[in-house]
Amino acid sequence: DAGVTQSPTHLIKTRGQQVTLRCSPKSGHDTVSWYQQALGQGPQFIFQYYEEEERQRGNFPDRFSGHQFPNYSSELNVNALLLGDSALYLCASSLGGMGNQPQHFGDGTRLSIL
Amino acid sequence: LAKTTQPISMDSYEGQEVNITCSHNNIATNDYITWYQQFPSQGPRFIIQGYKTKVTNEVASLFIPADRKSSTLSLPRVSLSDTAVYYCLPSKENTPLVFGKGTRLSVIA
Repeated sequence: DAGVTQSPTHLIKTRGQQVTLRCSPKSGHDTVSWYQQALGQGPQFIFQYYEEEERQRGNFPDRFSGHQFPNYSSELNVNALLLGDSALYLCASSLGGMGNQPQHFGDGTRLSIL
Repeated sequence: LAKTTQPISMDSYEGQEVNITCSHNNIATNDYITWYQQFPSQGPRFIIQGYKTKVTNEVASLFIPADRKSSTLSLPRVSLSDTAVYYCLPSKENTPLVFGKGTRLSVIA
């Protein structure tokens, strides 16, 4: 039973570029959430996708966008990259909702902006 | 959601019991308390969740007093592999998880 998988594991970009990160949820899960974790900080919620729609969004600019596919996998897109976007991007999956549902996290994509 | 306060760091020797206390004075009636563990270069991993009194699983115990203004995660007989960051989060339905900085536990041989 595969857990949450994310790709790529590491990525280096330059300022102004665009990036797409990918996530496959744990088998049987239908909800995907994305988090950004800066060094030394806890993960910060970006948004959540359910039934191919963005259901909730944290305090992130619209340079951050996403998509969920019919097979429940998801993509996170970030446009016009800034140095401050350097972070570990985590994907978490769950069944149905958030909050009380334990979320299963992948090991993240480490994004470095030069 | 309620704001939580945890110690920034803790040290322990192998084989000892470790208790990490989290303060959440303004926790809402329908909030649960959830703990996650995170190793370096990995995503957080769910450890345990509770609402009131005591919950125990194969990994840890969680104690929540009657007033629910704090909770204590108890790790029995820690080993070097328990070195990680531990996060305490109030959680409820249809609300995103809000992580603080967590408690960095270092287990020493």
